[in-house]
Amino acid sequence: EDKVVQSPLSLVVHEGDTVTLNCSYEVTNFRSLLWYKQEKKAPTFLFMLTSSGIEKKSGRLSSILDKKELFSILNITATQTGDSAIYLCAGRSSGAGSYQLTFGKGTKLSVIP
Amino acid sequence: NAGVTQTPKFRILKIGQSMTLQCAQDMNHNYMYWYRQDPGMGLKLIYYSVGAGITDKGEVPNGYNVSRSTTEDFPLRLELAAPSQTSVYFCASSYSTREDTGELFFGEGSRLTVL
Repeated sequence: EDKVVQSPLSLVVHEGDTVTLNCSYEVTNFRSLLWYKQEKKAPTFLFMLTSSGIEKKSGRLSSILDKKELFSILNITATQTGDSAIYLCAGRSSGAGSYQLTFGKGTKLSVIP
Repeated sequence: NAGVTQTPKFRILKIGQSMTLQCAQDMNHNYMYWYRQDPGMGLKLIYYSVGAGITDKGEVPNGYNVSRSTTEDFPLRLELAAPSQTSVYFCASSYSTREDTGELFFGEGSRLTVL
């Protein structure tokens, strides 16, 4: 059974801090790892990672994948209150006709002024 | 484009009642999914479909049924509601090509309470 584990489960930081969110995975026929941000409603897509060591970056957010150690991190620098959300990590397999995602439980990030 | 549209947004059911959560997408995606999200538990896959007329069970299918008669619509049916089905339900869709990003496009969610 595929498994994705995120840590920490919750985190409280002050504005301006840098945070690192962790995601380890065990996914059969691993294809990619995805990060989502969930505020009040639906998760919104942040990054997809398929290759080790190649950093994906979008503004103050960046992410990297280590396929040897089976983990990924999501970094947020100079955090703002608008970064408060649940961050979900998901592993994607590549079985025949299968595009399923296995999600972790999420990390709840709270950024206080 | 409306994206993925779910209805209703909120619903309260009594134990044993039945209902259908509606989901429609206008992006011509072949793949559609139903997830449930319980507090602190991430998203669990209930059912998915790779195209019209084809559905398959996910991780937590018990107590639910789906159908996929068209590419656009993927309703989720609860036949005999139980308190354990109290949750937030998300419908999602995605592309099905090898080159796609793997991104799921989510609806706004449906909050269901069974009393």
